[in-house]
Amino acid sequence: DTGVSQNPRHKITKRGQNVTFRCDPISEHNRLYWYRQTLGQGPEFLTYFQNEAQLEKSRLLSDRFSAERPKGSFSTLEIQRTEQGDSAMYLCASSLVPWELFFGEGSRLTVL
Amino acid sequence: GDSVTQMEGPVTLSEEAFLTINCTYTATGYPSLFWYVQYPGEGLQLLLKATKADDKGSNKGFEATYRKETTSFHLEKGSVQVSDSAVYFCALSDSNSGYALNFGKGTSLLVTP
Repeated sequence: DTGVSQNPRHKITKRGQNVTFRCDPISEHNRLYWYRQTLGQGPEFLTYFQNEAQLEKSRLLSDRFSAERPKGSFSTLEIQRTEQGDSAMYLCASSLVPWELFFGEGSRLTVL
Repeated sequence: GDSVTQMEGPVTLSEEAFLTINCTYTATGYPSLFWYVQYPGEGLQLLLKATKADDKGSNKGFEATYRKETTSFHLEKGSVQVSDSAVYFCALSDSNSGYALNFGKGTSLLVTP
């Protein structure tokens, strides 16, 4: 049984650098989500893909953030010119049924 | 916007004790309500859900009833086990979005033998 896989699990970078996270969803799931979680908070919605189409982006997703899901399989989330406020856990989830999400373990970003 | 408020933790209980974790919501429409759980070292997973008023979601001995009159979705379990130690998140479907879930801050539960 292969769940949602995220890489890297932890990324430490300097302010101003670009970072990219990858998510491999459960293979038969056509819906893919990115969330962000900071310490002591619940996950916050960033963006949603149905197959390869990005159907929704949160106001939280500034112009420095871009997400893709080529061919409707894996997805990448890129953050350009990172800021210290970007430090967080970035969660990917996939689903067949709306809102019944299967989450990965997350990619932790630390911006120095 | 639509949101949930859940009781702050940590909650510490002895094994076989009764558990209640309170969750109330604010919404402009008629959201679906969820409890997600995160066990140590694992990703969040759906525990139970309810899609309309008076629905009861249940799973693994946990229950929650969608109460429209009190805008609540409290999580209960009659007898907790050490293996229930985890962080529990209440969530609702955002009426301003077709896809987003809005999560509470989470409640940490520790069950001791």
